[in-house]
Amino acid sequence: QSVLTQPPSASGTPGQRVTISCSGSSSNIGRNTVNWYQHLPGAAPKLLIYINDVRPSGVPDRFSGSKSGTSASLAISGLQSEDEANYYCATWDDRLHGWVFGGGTKLTVL
Amino acid sequence: QLQLQESGPGLVKPSETPSLTCTVSGGSLTSRDHYWGWIRQSPGKGLEWIGSIDYSGSTYYNPSLKSRVTLSIDTSKNSFSLRLTSVTASDTAVYYCARRSGTYSDKYFDYWGQGTLVTVSS
Repeated sequence: QSVLTQPPSASGTPGQRVTISCSGSSSNIGRNTVNWYQHLPGAAPKLLIYINDVRPSGVPDRFSGSKSGTSASLAISGLQSEDEANYYCATWDDRLHGWVFGGGTKLTVL
Repeated sequence: QLQLQESGPGLVKPSETPSLTCTVSGGSLTSRDHYWGWIRQSPGKGLEWIGSIDYSGSTYYNPSLKSRVTLSIDTSKNSFSLRLTSVTASDTAVYYCARRSGTYSDKYFDYWGQGTLVTVSS
């Protein structure tokens, strides 16, 4: 059972916009910024969004992040086949004194 | 470009104490702006943070694993290591090392290794 709650799966067709949610609590998302990772099997997790809504250099602007209260969201617009991957949210938890992750969302491009 | 590469024993027996090492290239472990961490992913499960260490050897651990985990750092070899005692089948996972950047409430793991699979089996 992950501390941060994500839907286990999401899907969309090429060109569509998909949103993945991440729900937490006052001790984690409520007090700290949220990061998002893209993870392909056998590869290193890739930082997609940090500090809620900042894209690292090289990440397409099709990816965007937002946070409100104790929840965060990752939006992917103009969905492409190469976006098919697992996506994880993460943040620090002040009560648990550690990093917490969401359970991951498997995105399928139909 | 910063790169991290994990190495480990692959297959270990229950109750053993494996060590994993993360070798960093393209950057220095002596930076005061970063911590270095370990995260694992068990088969079919999500990511679990294990612990982090900085250039001086200051550490903090996941409370659920703290009694069995020791992190160390060797800046002369530009590497840091994880030692996990008394492993069981539930410790079977892909183990990732990563660099943590940022400060206070704005922290993030920005570079990760490819991961190394550790299987615990007799």
